[in-house]
Amino acid sequence: NAGVTQTPKFQVLKTGQSMTLQCAQDMNHEYMSWYRQDPGMGLRLIHYSVGAGITDQGEVPNGYNVSRSTTEDFPLRLLSAAPSQTSVYFCASSYRGGFGNSPLHFGNGTRLTVT
Amino acid sequence: TQLLEQSPQFLSIQEGENLTVYCNSSSVFSSLQWYRQEPGEGPVLLVTVVTGGEVKKLKRLTFQFGDARKDSSLHITAAQPGDTGLYLCAGAFKGSQGNLIFGKGTKLSVKP
Repeated sequence: NAGVTQTPKFQVLKTGQSMTLQCAQDMNHEYMSWYRQDPGMGLRLIHYSVGAGITDQGEVPNGYNVSRSTTEDFPLRLLSAAPSQTSVYFCASSYRGGFGNSPLHFGNGTRLTVT
Repeated sequence: TQLLEQSPQFLSIQEGENLTVYCNSSSVFSSLQWYRQEPGEGPVLLVTVVTGGEVKKLKRLTFQFGDARKDSSLHITAAQPGDTGLYLCAGAFKGSQGNLIFGKGTKLSVKP
C-alpha cells in the first residue's frame, strides 16, 4: 500500500520562484492537510480540506495556495517563495480529520530550502 | 490558536531507564493522539485516547489521559535505543474544526 505519497523529497528554490508540492493518497480519505515543521516550532497547519472542492486555511496559510479537485490529490503551491518558507512540509490524510478520532497518515515530507 | 505544551523538550537517558513525557493544555481535548517520528520520515500514530481517565498500554509504553481531558502523559518503561525519536502529542478541540493541533514535541535519545 502506497499510503500518502509526497514529491519531491528535496527542493531548492530561489527567492521569488514558484513551485507546487505534490501530495497523493490512495486510501480514499476525505480529509487532507498540509503542515510545516520547523525546529522548535512543532507541526503547524497550513491548509486543510474535508473533501473534494472544499479547502480552508489553517494556522499559517500566508504565501500558500491549495486546491482539491479530486479526493486523491492535494497540491500545495508556493506562488513567490521566501526564505521564511524554508521548512519541511508534510501532507497528511485521514478518514474524518479530528472528528471521530481518525488517525492522521503522513507522507515522508518535502524538505524545501529557499535561498 | 489553542496551545499544547509538551515537556520536556529534550530527554537523553541511558538504556533501561524509565521516562515520562507530558502534554498539557488549558482547553479540553475532544480527543488526543500520540505520534512518534523518526528522522526523514513522517509521524506515525502510537495511540488515541478519548475518555477522561483512560489508560492505554502499548508494550512498554503507557498512555494516560487526564480526568478533565486537559492533559496526557506517555510513560516508557525500561527504555531501549529503538525508542529514540521525536514524540508528538496532538489534540482536537471544540474550536479546531476537526483539525489536530500539535505540541512542539519531545526529542528522546536513548543511549546503549
